[in-house]
Amino acid sequence: DVKVTQSSRYLVKRTGEKVFLECVQDMDHENMFWYRQDPGLGLRLIYFSYDVKMKEKGDIPEGYSVSREKKERFSLILESASTNQTSMYLCASSLSGIGTQYFGPGTRLLVL
Amino acid sequence: RKEVEQDPGPFNVPEGATVAFNCTYSNSASQSFFWYRQDCRKEPKLLMSVYSSGNEDGRFTAQLNRASQYISLLIRDSKLSDSATYLCVVNSYNTDKLIFGTGTRLQVFP
Repeated sequence: DVKVTQSSRYLVKRTGEKVFLECVQDMDHENMFWYRQDPGLGLRLIYFSYDVKMKEKGDIPEGYSVSREKKERFSLILESASTNQTSMYLCASSLSGIGTQYFGPGTRLLVL
Repeated sequence: RKEVEQDPGPFNVPEGATVAFNCTYSNSASQSFFWYRQDCRKEPKLLMSVYSSGNEDGRFTAQLNRASQYISLLIRDSKLSDSATYLCVVNSYNTDKLIFGTGTRLQVFP
């Protein structure tokens, strides 16, 4: 079974704090993705990575950065958290060329 | 126009009913199609892939109509446990990225 884990299920941060969300997958997948999910807007892609140290912007990269130093780990960084970044953050992974993505349990982030 | 469009519902159906969801997509070059299921406050999970010839998995049947660019999901003999949001998903042409619809909510009542 594919396992994707995320570092926190719930997180509360203050405006202006730097926030790190970590994601680890154990199936040697090349691709990893970060999404945010908001009511009525569905899943929106923030960034994805198709290989170590490779990254591409998704649809809403502003205010976020990512890091992929090892194949199994993909980090999402909020450089200076703002209240409009309060959301559910979902990490996913997939094999290259195979569309199916497997998701982690999500992190509910509240920025006060 | 959204790339993947779904009726948000909710669809409220009694146990044992048959219910169908449709979804339309805008990019005719899309090649991979999926239905994911998402329970309240949980992550999306793959329900089934959708193949050109149509495919069935137990009580679930998925169909693809490339000419009209729509995908359907049919659930027969609905169970209470089928209550969830169903996400229609299409690949972004020539990449490994997926495009998710906003989901159709199903509520099955006793």
